[in-house]
Amino acid sequence: GDSVTQMEGPVTLSEEAFLTINCTYTATGYPSLFWYVQYPGEGLQLLLKATKADDKGSNKGFEATYRKETTSFHLEKGSVQVSDSAVYFCALSDYNQGGKLIFGQGTELSVKP
Amino acid sequence: EAGVTQSPTHLIKTRGQQVTLRCSPISGHTSVYWYQQALGLGLQFLLWYDEGEERNRGNFPPRFSGRQFPNYSSELNVNALELEDSALYLCASSFGQGDGYTFGSGTRLTVV
Repeated sequence: GDSVTQMEGPVTLSEEAFLTINCTYTATGYPSLFWYVQYPGEGLQLLLKATKADDKGSNKGFEATYRKETTSFHLEKGSVQVSDSAVYFCALSDYNQGGKLIFGQGTELSVKP
Repeated sequence: EAGVTQSPTHLIKTRGQQVTLRCSPISGHTSVYWYQQALGLGLQFLLWYDEGEERNRGNFPPRFSGRQFPNYSSELNVNALELEDSALYLCASSFGQGDGYTFGSGTRLTVV
């Protein structure tokens, strides 16, 4: 069945460092792909999305490109801030999944000043 | 525009009791989804409601149930609470499947 695999955390970076969080997926159809962020004590917020191959989603300095050939949707940011400390979830939506989003296990990011 | 609202934000229940959690979707969204986020277990899909009907259900026992009202708000009911039901319960809404969800802030349930 469909699945999402993320790199394990926690990831610890210094402020202004470059961030990559790897995400790969397995899907039988043509899924839409998403990144969500969860700040401590809060629900999930949609960070960015891409609905077809080669689409690039971007928001708040974060970017991810839908790569069908490598079944990947890696999250990147050129210069992280302390306020980016959160848990990041990669997810997919596929027509054959009965409406549900399939989430990766989440990657905790900690940015130190 | 108001986001997805959930109530209550926190509650503590005793094992064996019953609990009802509530969710109001974004105006215009007809689909409501419920997820459980237990410590160390990630996000587990519970239920999907659309247009008042249950469309899909995750791998949870029947004591987890819910419904969606004509105004598209939703309730999640959990009967015979067990300690492992302690979790953050997240509600989300969407207009269409490919749009992604908008999540509420969740209800933190503690079973003692």
